[in-house]
Amino acid sequence: GQNIDQPTEMTATEGAIVQINCTYQTSGFNGLFWYQQHAGEAPTFLSYNVLDGLEEKGRFSSFLSRSKGYSYLLLKELQMKDSASYLCAVGNYGGATNKLIFGTGTLLAVQP
Amino acid sequence: DAGITQSPRYKITETGRQVTLMCHQTWSHSYMFWYRQDLGHGLRLIYYSAAADITDKGEVPDGYVVSRSKTENFPLTLESATRSQTSVYFCASLGGGPTGELFFGEGSRLTVL
Repeated sequence: GQNIDQPTEMTATEGAIVQINCTYQTSGFNGLFWYQQHAGEAPTFLSYNVLDGLEEKGRFSSFLSRSKGYSYLLLKELQMKDSASYLCAVGNYGGATNKLIFGTGTLLAVQP
Repeated sequence: DAGITQSPRYKITETGRQVTLMCHQTWSHSYMFWYRQDLGHGLRLIYYSAAADITDKGEVPDGYVVSRSKTENFPLTLESATRSQTSVYFCASLGGGPTGELFFGEGSRLTVL
């Protein structure tokens, strides 16, 4: 089966740091993705982890532990424009199957 | 312009009517996907396609039909629309880079009355 869990909502303050967690149990795994989705818009790619450890990209970092089925997205120096939904997704690529399965998303509200 | 486009962006229809949502990409990506997004459920995969004339079911395929006669087009048809199919529909294609990221269209908001 496929199960991807992340908190429904989070609130943080402008300038602060926030960590959004994601746990997964899936039948296949070829990478963990994070997408950002602003209200009324399409999701856009943020990060990708296939090996354990931390990937840093500017103010955003993503961590993966495959043995624990766990990932987090770390957002530093929060800005108001970071208010959005953050979607955790597991890639299942192999053979005839190439697909991305998404969690329900975490709605982040950044307050002044 | 290069990219992935969906049409229509907004559609209101009635129960029982047939509706087709169009998706067109200019990158020649092999894999294309249809997702629906509903509050509390996130993005759920409806159908996907590995190439022209190759399609497969996702998590929630019932009530939907797809075709892929050309690589660049991947239409989604609701043969007899139901209220439960009111949703935002996203088409996506799989990039060829090492990350395997998806590129999404702008979405089609469908309301079934």
